[in-house]
Amino acid sequence: DIQMTQSPSTLSASVGDRVTITCRASQSISSWLAWYQQKPGKAPKLLIYQASTLESGVPSRFSGSGSGTEFTLTISSLQPDDFATYYCQQYNNLWTFGQGTKVEIK
Amino acid sequence: EVLLVESGGGLVQPGGSLRLSCAASGFTFSGYEMNWVRQAPGRGLEWLSYISSSGDISYYADSVKGRLTVSRDNAKNSLYLQMNSLRAEDTAVYYCARVGGSGSQHVDYWGQGTLVTVSS
Repeated sequence: DIQMTQSPSTLSASVGDRVTITCRASQSISSWLAWYQQKPGKAPKLLIYQASTLESGVPSRFSGSGSGTEFTLTISSLQPDDFATYYCQQYNNLWTFGQGTKVEIK
Repeated sequence: EVLLVESGGGLVQPGGSLRLSCAASGFTFSGYEMNWVRQAPGRGLEWLSYISSSGDISYYADSVKGRLTVSRDNAKNSLYLQMNSLRAEDTAVYYCARVGGSGSQHVDYWGQGTLVTVSS
């Protein structure tokens, strides 16, 4: 099984900050990685797939990079609507989620 | 507009069974692979199962193998999850999710979820 490890688990930041979340895979997953945003009581929302492709309608302040085993999600300038929990997911071999990163207000 | 609407959740006793449904609309259901994903209260997302577009291939997470069965009825645009021998740790919100097309297996749309509570 492929394990996904996100860091940090919690991130405190202010509006306007540049935020980076890291996701590491236990083995190479090429670029088969997606990022999701989830707000309390809501379903997850797709942000990025294939490691760096922005889903239609997602603001350009979100970006993804990486390949192999190390990936990052970057929010270039944090907005009030971005305070949420973020999950990475590999889909190279079945599907596995990271444990999540909660972005909270500093 | 793509819509996925789950139903069938509720309170069930340990050892009991439940069948979840997911009604799909706004896209050609028979052309898409589907997943079930769950989220225990206050916890992260856990992938549970996959079913091919035709329904002839399915996969399961080790944690639920043998207790969950995924199926679909393309004529009714519906996805199902039969859950048996339920345990307290199966308490969660259960989401159906569409696997994106174009050769990429990421999940692109999610339902709103249905809550399953396993308790005596």
